[in-house]
Amino acid sequence: NAGVTQTPKFQVLKTGQSMTLQCAQDMNHNSMYWYRQDPGMGLRLIYYSASEGTTDKGEVPNGYNVSRLNKREFSLRLESAAPSQTSVYFCATKPTGSYNEQFFGPGTRLTVL
Amino acid sequence: QKEVEQNSGPLSVPEGAIASLNCTYSDRGSQSFFWYRQYSGKSPELIMSIYSNGDKEDGRFTAQLNKASQYVSLLIRDSQPSDSATYLCALNAGGTSYGKLTFGQGTILTVHP
Repeated sequence: NAGVTQTPKFQVLKTGQSMTLQCAQDMNHNSMYWYRQDPGMGLRLIYYSASEGTTDKGEVPNGYNVSRLNKREFSLRLESAAPSQTSVYFCATKPTGSYNEQFFGPGTRLTVL
Repeated sequence: QKEVEQNSGPLSVPEGAIASLNCTYSDRGSQSFFWYRQYSGKSPELIMSIYSNGDKEDGRFTAQLNKASQYVSLLIRDSQPSDSATYLCALNAGGTSYGKLTFGQGTILTVHP
């Protein structure tokens, strides 16, 4: 039972390159989320998927796209990376119900040069 | 005003003391509140959740919620060096928010022997 997994753990990109961050969960949760964490700024929501087949923008969606491939997988794509996207990216999942906690993956540390 | 604001740190307490972490929020419709602990280089992990006014205790941790005054706090009794981490306050607006969490910027706690 792996919980929430993210790949890769680390990545270095050059400005303008593209990449996809992968997130998978085996917890059978309906909702999945992508956050970024910058020093001193807590976590900010990029995109979320309330259920399979739906996605919606969060607080900071510019420069990103997402795909909810199936119930287990939720990917985040950077089409043309910029230095401002240097951050730690966390995927999280949550079972249905407002009062339930979110479970976080281990994170991906991305540096854009 | 930020949606979720935590007391500025870093906070330093001696081993065995009580650490007090505070969080204020602006959205009166917020329904559920969470405290996450994040060790350096790791992902956030839930330590407390609270939904009703009053106190909720779990071992050395006590969460306090006052919806009228729009604050939530976390007390850590008998603080240990292993409690040294960043503590993140988060809230869920409920309703159609699809479980989205809004995070504070975090408070760094250091417990010194």
